Amino acid sequence: SQQGEEDPQALSIQEGENATMNCSYKTSINNLQWYRQNSGRGLVHLILIRSNEREKHSGRLRVTLDTSKKSSSLLITASRAADTASYFCATFRDSSYKLIFGSGTRLLVRP
Amino acid sequence: GAVVSQHPSWVICKSGTSVKIECRSLDFQATTMFWYRQFPKQSLMLMATSNEGSKATYEQGVEKDKFLINHASLTLSTLTVTSAHPEDSSFYICSASGALAGGRGYEQYFGPGTRLTVT
Repeated sequence: SQQGEEDPQALSIQEGENATMNCSYKTSINNLQWYRQNSGRGLVHLILIRSNEREKHSGRLRVTLDTSKKSSSLLITASRAADTASYFCATFRDSSYKLIFGSGTRLLVRP
Repeated sequence: GAVVSQHPSWVICKSGTSVKIECRSLDFQATTMFWYRQFPKQSLMLMATSNEGSKATYEQGVEKDKFLINHASLTLSTLTVTSAHPEDSSFYICSASGALAGGRGYEQYFGPGTRLTVT
C-alpha cells in the first residue's frame, strides 16, 4: 500500500519558476527519498534526507523534512522544460529495504 | 555504474498466454531485486521481493501463481505473467540493490520498465 499522499497531484508552471511539491507519510521513518520518473521510464534517485536532518540541498533541489508533521517537500528552483516528469517520495517500510512510494506529483514545465 | 536493464521494453500478447520479463543488473551483483507494477498516472506498487537463490516474497494481494518470480543468479531476475489477461496490462518496473563499492546498501537502482499490453 502507498505510504502517503503527495500534493499537488499535478502542477503546471512556466520555465524559470520554482516548483514545490509536498509529501506526507504515515509511519516513523529513518529517511525519506525523492525520485523522478520521466514518462514511461524507470525511476531516477534524486535525493535522500535522513530523519535527523531538516533540510538538504542538491543543485537546484531543496528538500525539507518535518518529522513532527510527517511531511516533506521538494523544491525545484529555476525550473526547466527538462524537469517535466513525475516526482515521487518514498520511504522504507518498517525496518526493511522495501520502498513504499507516495502517490506522486506530475510536473509540467512549459517552455 | 549501477545500471539495471529490462527486457523487453514493451510487449503485446494475447489473452491466455504467458510473458516473461527479465531484469538484469549489468555492473553489480544484486542480492535483492524488487518488482513493481504501475498503472497509468498512478504510483508504483511493490509486487514482490526476490533474493538470489531463495523464493520470492509477495506482497498482500499479489498472486504468486500468477506472477512467477525467479532470481537464479546475482544479476538476473525474471517475472513471468502466466495466463495473462487484459487486466494484467500495466507497466512493470524492477529495481535491484546490492553491495556496491563505496555505495550504501539501501540504494535501489531501477530498470527502465516494461510495458505489457494484453489483448
